[in-house]
Amino acid sequence: QSALTQPPSASGSPGQSVTISCTGTNSDVGDYNYVSWYQHHPGKAPKLIIYEVTKRPSGVPDRFSGSKSGNTASLTVSGLQAEDEADYYCSSFRNFGTGTQVTVL
Amino acid sequence: QVQLQESGPGLVEPSETLSLTCTVSGGSVKSNNDYWSWIRKPPGKGLEWMGYIYYSGNTNYNPSFESRVTMSLDTSKNQFSLEMSSVTAADTAVYYCATYTSRNLVFESWGQGMLVTVFS
Repeated sequence: QSALTQPPSASGSPGQSVTISCTGTNSDVGDYNYVSWYQHHPGKAPKLIIYEVTKRPSGVPDRFSGSKSGNTASLTVSGLQAEDEADYYCSSFRNFGTGTQVTVL
Repeated sequence: QVQLQESGPGLVEPSETLSLTCTVSGGSVKSNNDYWSWIRKPPGKGLEWMGYIYYSGNTNYNPSFESRVTMSLDTSKNQFSLEMSSVTAADTAVYYCATYTSRNLVFESWGQGMLVTVFS
């Protein structure tokens, strides 16, 4: 199973929005609504922030939102804050994306 | 949410077997809602799902690791374990245990991770 494809990096200034894409295939992202996103600060445990494409677990700020079109899912972080600087991974079923490093300028 | 904690040697010699244990608290490895999983992150690379074990003892391994990996459960200690044989420097990584929930197919709870270095 090939990793889902994400851009290696993304950046934005505080208060701005950043959107990360996650491209899969008809066998995963395209045909099923089981896309999740994880935030990973180095040295800490990854944290689930989006599941089933658009849903947020309790306690995750509504600045984080998810969407999907065809074989590509997206994570948008609105109103960027310094603590949003982290690596972000998408996942469909048990397959992870290649990861995107988000930098807050 | 359950809490998970990895333990085991942080250094393994090449060609030897890596062995890690994950201790579960706040939940039971006998739960039929969770698949007890191992995930790793090599330096500079992304997350890789290695496999999981179910409360019944059934396992599902990533084909990339299937020939070298064995996962097991110890219900008396509320733990699950990973063994990977014939390690090389490419197996140096942070290893995480995690729960994969059957409800919405996500890795819901994670351990803090354990760095294992393959080094002679």
